[in-house]
Amino acid sequence: QKEVEQNSGPLSVPEGAIASLNCTYSDRGSQSFFWYRQYSGKSPELIMSIYSNGDKEDGRFTAQLNKASQYVSLLIRDSQPSDSATYLCAVRSSYTLGGATNKLIFGTGTLLAVQP
Amino acid sequence: ETGVTQTPRHLVMGMTNKKSLKCEQHLGHNAMYWYKQSAKKPLELMFVYSLEERVENNSVPSRFSPECPNSSHLFLHLHTLQPEDSALYLCASSQGGGSYNEQFFGPGTRLTVL
Repeated sequence: QKEVEQNSGPLSVPEGAIASLNCTYSDRGSQSFFWYRQYSGKSPELIMSIYSNGDKEDGRFTAQLNKASQYVSLLIRDSQPSDSATYLCAVRSSYTLGGATNKLIFGTGTLLAVQP
Repeated sequence: ETGVTQTPRHLVMGMTNKKSLKCEQHLGHNAMYWYKQSAKKPLELMFVYSLEERVENNSVPSRFSPECPNSSHLFLHLHTLQPEDSALYLCASSQGGGSYNEQFFGPGTRLTVL
């Protein structure tokens, strides 16, 4: 079982629709979850972080977390062609490295294509 | 300069060359990371430095050698690489020791090994 699983896509949605991106993880002790957006040829950009069960909204983005189901999702409302990118789910490992630093475990990402 | 910067942005090298990648963070963070990103694969964590001490070495071949002279700078020294080492190399930083570990990435170095 992969540590962080995402559907690779592509997920194709029409402009103005809601895009729903999903992620499951295996580490039950994880407490912090992140969504990164990565445009082709660019580096990942942090767009959302969520730490508690429920929803967290930021503009057109809503992150949803259900720790009991080990599931995190990202909703993008009013999708725009500029949202077309790969979305990476990242989960903070419950295993602590030196210096109280924890590593992030990334999924392979979901490619989102918003059709004009 | 703001955020995390990386140089060079593109690098082509032969298998016998020696080169170095440089990363600098301007965020006041105390943890820095090297990742490798290859097509169709998740980001692979290579090295982690916290407070200038290496705390993770993720079974990376010895032809990759990291160096962290201070909390703002991170280097990745490369020698006798293989073509399969061609990838995007990403540096990131975070405020280690906190609960949240938001990591911020630099623009990356696109490495091609001939």
